[in-house]
Parts: sequence; structure tokens; C-alpha cells
Amino acid sequence: QLQLQESGPGLVKPSETLSLTCTVSGGSISSSSYYWGWIRQPPGRGLEWIGSIYYRGSTYYNPSLKSRVTISVDTSKNQFSLKLSSVTAADTAVYYCARQIRRLGDRELDYWGQGTLVTVSS
Amino acid sequence: QSVLTQPPSASGTPGQRVTISCSGSSSNIGSNTVNWYQQLPGTAPKLLIYTNNQRPSGVPDRFSGSKSGTSASLAISGLQSEDEADYYCAAWDDSLNGQVFGGGTKLTVL
Repeated sequence: QLQLQESGPGLVKPSETLSLTCTVSGGSISSSSYYWGWIRQPPGRGLEWIGSIYYRGSTYYNPSLKSRVTISVDTSKNQFSLKLSSVTAADTAVYYCARQIRRLGDRELDYWGQGTLVTVSS
Repeated sequence: QSVLTQPPSASGTPGQRVTISCSGSSSNIGSNTVNWYQQLPGTAPKLLIYTNNQRPSGVPDRFSGSKSGTSASLAISGLQSEDEADYYCAAWDDSLNGQVFGGGTKLTVL
């Protein structure tokens, strides 16, 4: 059974960089059938897609976050990572990693991590 | 403001049938398939419907999806108390070149 697990600091100071890693187990990240994505959810609010990466390194980012986001992949560790720079309180959210189907017209997120709360505060 | 539009709330009594709508545009729902996610309180979202009307293994057939033009709907028949959750529609947007979500609908079972 595929599992995804987010890890990283739960508290980040304003203006600093948020860094999270998603470890994939029970399957290979190096599959041509999937992207690997990050989604966030501010407290009490809806879901926001941050971006996705293919195992070969190609990326798609949410245009509203693109200037601050970097997603990378480490196939040797079966992990992918998120960096979000210059954070503010508005970036406080539960951050989820997920597997995304790579098929023209279809982009469902079929497996999700449990999520990790990141709070931006001094 | 979400790219896809959903009603913020819906409700029904046990056994009833409820529907949740999702409205988009030609660059998202009009061009790509719609997915629905269920988020139970305090948990991660779970894929409920994919490719407009397909159910992943383990999802009861009480849940069904449909799409017409630039709109989609999720229907839940035989409503049960455990269906009380937030429901999100989603689709790929060709103009934004990214995934877009609806704002979510909170379903209350009365």
C-alpha cells in the first residue's frame, strides 16, 4: 500500500523559508504514470494546490505562488521536497503531499499524506 | 476566491439524496475531467470520484458524479451520518496550467 509522509519544522519565522519533505513508501517515485504534488489548507479554509513535480524534474507551480516556490525530487531517497520562501502568517496551513495521476485531462490526487501543520510566527 | 464555485453548505436527513454542484469554465471543467474529494473532520482529503464519475475501490456506490459542459455535480444517495464532511471538486486548468479546487461544501446530516 502506497504511503506518503510529510516531515519538517512545524514553526517557521516570518521572512524565512519553509522546507518540507515527503517520503514515499510502498511504491517508486520514479514512475512515468505520476506526478508528485503539494497542497495546503489554511486553518478553517479550503484546499490550495501549490505545485507538482515529475520524477525527471519537470515542475508545475501555482501561478500565485510561483515566485516563492521550489519543488525538487530525490529519486535515490524516494522523496520530494517543498521550499517556500519569504513566508508570512498567510502561509500558516496544513501542508499535504500527494500522488497525482499523470494522464492527459486527468489529474486526480489519489494518495495523500496525513498532512503537517506549519505555523509562521516569530 | 476559488476558480471553481461550490455552495458553502448543504444538508440532508438520513436516507435522503443530496447533490453538490461545482461550476467552472471552458479552461478547466470544460476541457478536463472533474474529481471530488471527501475530507472528514481532522483528516486528510480522500479521493471520492475521479474522471467525472468513477469511484475508487472501496467507495460506496451511494456516491456518484456527473459532468455537463462547464459544471459538475456530486450526488450522495441514502445519506448516512458518517457522510458529514467537507467535499471539494477539482480539475486541471489549461490556462493556469495547474490544479484548481472549489472552495468546498460542508455537508451536514441533520
